Amino acid sequence: AQSVTQLDSQVPVFEEAPVELRCNYSSSVSVYLFWYVQYPNQGLQLLLKYLSGSTLVKGINGFEAEFNKSQTSFHLRKPSVHISDTAEYFCAVSEIQGAQKLVFGQGTRLTINP
Amino acid sequence: DTAVSQTPKYLVTQMGNDKSIKCEQNLGHDTMYWYKQDSKKFLKIMFSYNNKELIINETVPNRFSPKSPDKAHLNLHINSLELGDSAVYFCASSQTQGARVKLFFGSGTQLSVL
Repeated sequence: AQSVTQLDSQVPVFEEAPVELRCNYSSSVSVYLFWYVQYPNQGLQLLLKYLSGSTLVKGINGFEAEFNKSQTSFHLRKPSVHISDTAEYFCAVSEIQGAQKLVFGQGTRLTINP
Repeated sequence: DTAVSQTPKYLVTQMGNDKSIKCEQNLGHDTMYWYKQDSKKFLKIMFSYNNKELIINETVPNRFSPKSPDKAHLNLHINSLELGDSAVYFCASSQTQGARVKLFFGSGTQLSVL
């Protein structure tokens, strides 16, 4: 079974500041890794995913994440945030083999202050 | 056109009632899901259907019964609603081949049981 821990439930930052949202996972098998974003009153949208290859993956809206196998982490970063980045961010994992089931972390509420 | 659409968007009902939530996707995907998001924003998979066949059935009370009349539809019927069923229910879809496990989410159905 897999589990995902997002270490911060809330992250407030000022506009144009850099941000890092932390994610650690646990799994006995190889996994794919994902970050999803949920804007208020909307469903989730995929930001980026790591399947294989380069450990640094770039996503939409200027976000990137780095897969670190030894630390079982997949932290999300953005060098300069905007007000429009205010949302809930979810880290998720899925087994490479087997049924397509995403296991989500608890979410991190990113609030951008002017 | 909305890729994954759910109806209704809001559902307020009394304890003990039976209700249904409908989901349709026009992406041509072969797999559909139901996720439950609780008041703490925690997302957990409930069911998944692939080509109308149930492939994931998490520990969900049997008051919840998914029905997939065809690949483009996955409805969720809930009998004898309880207070603890209050949550936001998200439908999602994906394609088994290609962009594996990239889920497209609907905008959610907020269920309030009084």
